[in-house]
Amino acid sequence: NAGVTQTPKFRVLKTGQSMTLLCAQDMNHEYMYWYRQDPGMGLRLIHYSVGEGTTAKGEVPDGYNVSRLKKQNFLLGLESAAPSQTSVYFCASSLSSGGQPQHFGDGTRLSIL
Amino acid sequence: GQQLNQSPQSMFIQEGEDVSMNCTSSSIFNTWLWYKQEPGEGPVLLIALYKAGELTSNGRLTAQFGITRKDSFLNISASIPSDVGIYFCAGREGAQKLVFGQGTRLTINP
Repeated sequence: NAGVTQTPKFRVLKTGQSMTLLCAQDMNHEYMYWYRQDPGMGLRLIHYSVGEGTTAKGEVPDGYNVSRLKKQNFLLGLESAAPSQTSVYFCASSLSSGGQPQHFGDGTRLSIL
Repeated sequence: GQQLNQSPQSMFIQEGEDVSMNCTSSSIFNTWLWYKQEPGEGPVLLIALYKAGELTSNGRLTAQFGITRKDSFLNISASIPSDVGIYFCAGREGAQKLVFGQGTRLTINP
């Protein structure tokens, strides 16, 4: 009953540090997404991938990089963390295009000091 | 980009009351989705709508895809304590991207 799994669940970084958030899905989904959620706002799309080896920018891509080397994994990297990147990050996946709903992980709470 | 306005932002109701919330868009969507999020968890899909005018139920929840394709509403009948959470609408633009509303925080007094 795994679905979409995100690691770590919590992390505190200092400004300028780098880190990678991992998302893994076991549903053989083609599409994967990274969102951030800030208080009083809906989820905003950072980057997404339509298949292994592909990535594309979303609404708020600056300061983040992603990689999809394996179909089941989608990595989100912060090269030089900034306080503005303090947020809750959600990964999601969907089977295909054409209106398929997205399935979400439980989030990673990231604080940048 | 697309703008989604979700209202109300918060609701405080008594257990047993019905709830109604809606989302409006500045542009047309081809899919509307409604999610619920509980503390410490990711959003969970409640209802998906794919056709203008479509009315779909999931237990005590009913959602409709507006005829103009620019709006959608979600109703919850006879609310119970486990309905507490944040409800998000989302509209699909293009093949992949979802645009989310700001959320409606539902609080229920027993």
